[in-house]
Amino acid sequence: EVQLVESGGGLVQPGGSLRLSCAASGFTFSNYWMSWVRQAPGKGLEWVANIKQDGNEKYYVDSVKGRFTISRDNAKNSLYLQMNGLRAEDTAVYYCARDRVPMAVAGTPMDVWGKGTTVTVSS
Amino acid sequence: DVQMTQSPSTLSASVGDRVTITCRASQSINSWLAWYQQKPGKAPKFLIYKASSLENGVPSRFSGSGSGTEFTLTISSLQPDDFATYYCQQYNTYPWTFGQGTKVEIK
Repeated sequence: EVQLVESGGGLVQPGGSLRLSCAASGFTFSNYWMSWVRQAPGKGLEWVANIKQDGNEKYYVDSVKGRFTISRDNAKNSLYLQMNGLRAEDTAVYYCARDRVPMAVAGTPMDVWGKGTTVTVSS
Repeated sequence: DVQMTQSPSTLSASVGDRVTITCRASQSINSWLAWYQQKPGKAPKFLIYKASSLENGVPSRFSGSGSGTEFTLTISSLQPDDFATYYCQQYNTYPWTFGQGTKVEIK
């Protein structure tokens, strides 16, 4: 069964850091672009970042550039999001998502999603 | 950034109704548009890619159309399981962006 399981969320003070993880199973992780998408309470979806199969291309939404870093470990079938300088507006459920097309040159829409992990930034 | 605007924001409909949701992009995105369905407390479900291609396993009552800047998602005969929020998403230009969502509720 294709599965993504996020972990690492929690309560953190403004300015703090968290590292989210996403464990992938049931597919060849190293063949796919992977993304993080977040959803603030009661709000819509916001794409945060994605990373190419080999980790050599990464893209970010402007609001997290310089603060968040996406990375992956293909040997461990894992995706990560290092979040530094957290702000109240980063409070959200963070979803890990897999691109639809394996071995794609460019990112494609996301066909498999995890259940999400909640990040709350508050003093 | 490419701004995606959905209309309406909320739609009240009955089982069996034909429902259409519109998504407009602030600039041309060719056909690089996806649609997702989300129910409360759940992860999004992928429905349509490249504006009109139905993902495997998605019921045929869902269809998508459009290109350039204007797109539609149509549900031909609304079923009880379809009451949810729907999002469009462009993947033509980074940063990828979603519409604000359209909630389909029971009339």
